[in-house]
Amino acid sequence: DAKTTQPTSMDCAEGRAANLPCNHSTISGNEYVYWYRQIHSQGPQYIIHGLKNNETNEMASLIITEDRKSSTLILPHATLRDTAVYYCIVRSGTNAGKSTFGDGTTLTVKP
Amino acid sequence: DAGVIQSPRHEVTEMGQEVTLRCKPISGHDYLFWYRQTMMRGLELLIYFNNNVPIDDSGMPEDRFSAKMPNASFSTLKIQPSEPRDSAVYFCASSPPGRGHTGELFFGEGSRLTVL
Repeated sequence: DAKTTQPTSMDCAEGRAANLPCNHSTISGNEYVYWYRQIHSQGPQYIIHGLKNNETNEMASLIITEDRKSSTLILPHATLRDTAVYYCIVRSGTNAGKSTFGDGTTLTVKP
Repeated sequence: DAGVIQSPRHEVTEMGQEVTLRCKPISGHDYLFWYRQTMMRGLELLIYFNNNVPIDDSGMPEDRFSAKMPNASFSTLKIQPSEPRDSAVYFCASSPPGRGHTGELFFGEGSRLTVL
């Protein structure tokens, strides 16, 4: 399965958009891009996922490049409660168990 | 709807003791995953089940670890004997029917294990 690369940490001002990048240059055709976040020591929380089209839900937007080698998670109006570790993972369409969580990006939203 | 329920939330035990962690997945979900999280290794998949059958246990660290899923609403992860290096937060997650390969994972709150 493709591995992902994310910046270790990012800051964002409250009310501004937070744009979290992820590189997955070895992604294969049947692999989906997923985003999760983990607040403090709670269980990870699903945010959004996509295959090749951009996706939007009530929490965030996911922009996937045309070559699928990278993606960006966008939190349109970050709040203090969005401070968390954000994980970008790639999941195989045929073997759920092979998805790997990396180190993620620690997003700190500042007032 | 109730989410994934794990117990105990915290467990402190001594080296050599048996530890059993429990998980109740979301009703109707047919995939169940056990993860372990430590500062050093991050979030690691240990094993996952589909329709109560273990599919991939390649992440189970060694024979001291075992997992069972006797029915669709219950799973256990057992460590016997426990060692200090097993100290971690253990998460259980489940996934909606037919979407275990591509669907989102719903995580429980975790069981924090400390082995002295």
